Amino acid sequence: DMKVTQMPRYLIKRMGENVLLECGQDMSHETMYWYRQDPGLGLQLIYISYDVDSNSEGDIPKGYRVSRKKREHFSLILDSAKTNQTSVYFCASSPGHTNTEVFFGKGTRLTVV
Amino acid sequence: QQKVQQSPESLSVPEGGMASFNCTSSDRNFQYFWWYRQHSGEGPKALMSIFSDGDKKEGRFTAHLNKASLHVSLHIRDSQPSDSALYFCAASEHSGYAQGLTFGLGTRVSVFP
Repeated sequence: DMKVTQMPRYLIKRMGENVLLECGQDMSHETMYWYRQDPGLGLQLIYISYDVDSNSEGDIPKGYRVSRKKREHFSLILDSAKTNQTSVYFCASSPGHTNTEVFFGKGTRLTVV
Repeated sequence: QQKVQQSPESLSVPEGGMASFNCTSSDRNFQYFWWYRQHSGEGPKALMSIFSDGDKKEGRFTAHLNKASLHVSLHIRDSQPSDSALYFCAASEHSGYAQGLTFGLGTRVSVFP
């Protein structure tokens, strides 16, 4: 069963704490993404990764960093979380490096208090 | 300003009826379009892509693209309760290169019995 798995699904953190969101995919996809979804702003691209250690900034990378040490895993790190980083975060993957279907995980709802 | 704009924000359609909604890009670089659907509590899932002028039909779903006006529409015939969801239009600059999609804010469709 092809899927993108995100852990944890729900997370509450205090302002200033570090946050690690993890994502895995079992489809051997080369390209992976992190998006966040907010009411009134839609889905916004944070980072895109074309393979291990080949990462590029998306539209809103400030305050985030990523790590991809294995093709099937892609992590999003928030150093010193801020309240405006409260959001639903989606990891996604797609095969190859072309404009093909993007497969999304179920999301992680992060609340920073 | 959103580069990908969708209308209407929401619509209700009777079961068995036709649902139609629209998407426009304000950036002429965005010429390649996708439709994604998101059910509550889930991640978005691709419905179809449309890269060429004209109509593209997949089952009950028909997309139409006018590249001159950068206008895309999606029509759902014989709407079912399971079609109740948030529908996103997504656009990209390249057909052959994955660079992350730019999403609109979505159209929420409710199918009533």
